[in-house]
Amino acid sequence: DVKVTQSSRYLVKRTGEKVFLECVQDMDHENMFWYRQDPGLGLRLIYFSYDVKMKEKGDIPEGYSVSREKKERFSLILESASTNQTSMYLCASNPRGTVTYEQYFGPGTRLTVT
Amino acid sequence: DAKTTQPTSMDCAEGRAANLPCNHSTISGNEYVYWYRQIHSQGPQYIIHGLKNNETNEMASLIITEDRKSSTLILPHATLRDTAVYYCIVRVAIGGTSYGKLTFGQGTILTVHP
Repeated sequence: DVKVTQSSRYLVKRTGEKVFLECVQDMDHENMFWYRQDPGLGLRLIYFSYDVKMKEKGDIPEGYSVSREKKERFSLILESASTNQTSMYLCASNPRGTVTYEQYFGPGTRLTVT
Repeated sequence: DAKTTQPTSMDCAEGRAANLPCNHSTISGNEYVYWYRQIHSQGPQYIIHGLKNNETNEMASLIITEDRKSSTLILPHATLRDTAVYYCIVRVAIGGTSYGKLTFGQGTILTVHP
């Protein structure tokens, strides 16, 4: 069974803390994505990566950075967490060359910044 | 990307077919219709996609009208576990190093009751 796992289901951090969200996939996928999901705003792309050490900005990259040192792992970093980054964070992956948008999602991390 | 319109919510009795409509009147010729769902507190799950022919898989059927301006997702025998938010998305399929982002709107909240 294909699997995308995220390091935490729930996380509470203080304003100004550096936050690391980890995502691991076991499907040997080249493409990995980080989204955030907020009520009324739907799903928005933060960053994506199409290969190891490669990254591209999505629609809302401000305040975030990413790291992809290994193919199976894609990390989202909040350099200095702020309350407006309280959200549900979703990681997804799919293989290179797919002509569809069939993406495999992790269970999500609900981050609260106080 | 073409805009989609879905009803805010629908109800269905367990064991009956659930028919979820989606309007996409501005769809262009090279855009696919995708359906995802999101069960509470989980990541989104891909269901099915199609271009112009009707499609069926183990989860659902997708019926696309001849003019492609609307479609219907059919869950043939809905169960309580099918209670979720269902998202209809219209996107161009890209080949090669495809890593297209997904953008979800508000979707339809389907409630399956006993």
